[in-house]
Amino acid sequence: EVQLVESGGGLVQPGRSLKLSCAASGFTFSNYGMHWIRQAPTKGLEWVASISPSGGSTYYRDSVKGRFTISRDNAKSTLYLQMDSLRSEDTATYYCATDRVYYGLSSFDYWGQGVMVTVSS
Amino acid sequence: DIQMTQSPSFLSASVGDRVTINCKASQNINKYLNWYQQKLGEAPKLLIYNTNNLQTGIPSRFSGSGSGTDYTLTISSLQPEDVATYFCLQHSSRPLTFGSGTKLEIK
Repeated sequence: EVQLVESGGGLVQPGRSLKLSCAASGFTFSNYGMHWIRQAPTKGLEWVASISPSGGSTYYRDSVKGRFTISRDNAKSTLYLQMDSLRSEDTATYYCATDRVYYGLSSFDYWGQGVMVTVSS
Repeated sequence: DIQMTQSPSFLSASVGDRVTINCKASQNINKYLNWYQQKLGEAPKLLIYNTNNLQTGIPSRFSGSGSGTDYTLTISSLQPEDVATYFCLQHSSRPLTFGSGTKLEIK
């Protein structure tokens, strides 16, 4: 059974940093692209970033480019999202998700339960 | 960015009803359209990928159709366990974008 467990969320002041983790199990992590998606309170879902199975290719939405870094450790089956220079508009529940396609970057299949990030002074 | 307009936002129907939810893209997305279900307190679940392909383990009462800019999710006979929020996702081009969601309740 595929399991994705996010951690590392919490309350942080504007301008500070936070690093999210997503521990994966139940599948061969190194064979699948991975993604971060977020949902602000009372707002819709928003794709944040994606990473290829090897980690060699990364993609970001414009509003987080230069501030967020997606990475992965295939030996630990763990996905990360380093979030720097946080803004109030980054406040959201953050989900990690697997890609649907073997060794590709397509769309989202399995999702974690999400972790809350609140950016506030 | 491709905008996804989803309708209705809220839907109340009776058990056994046929239910349809729509998503309209701001440009042709070439059938790169997925549907997800999110029950309260749970992670989203993939129902249908690439317009009309049922994900493994999903009941056959769920189906998808569409092309170009217009797509539909159909539940042929609504069941109590289908109470959830449903949303579409276009993955034709980055940034991938979602519909705003449809909250489905039992009348």
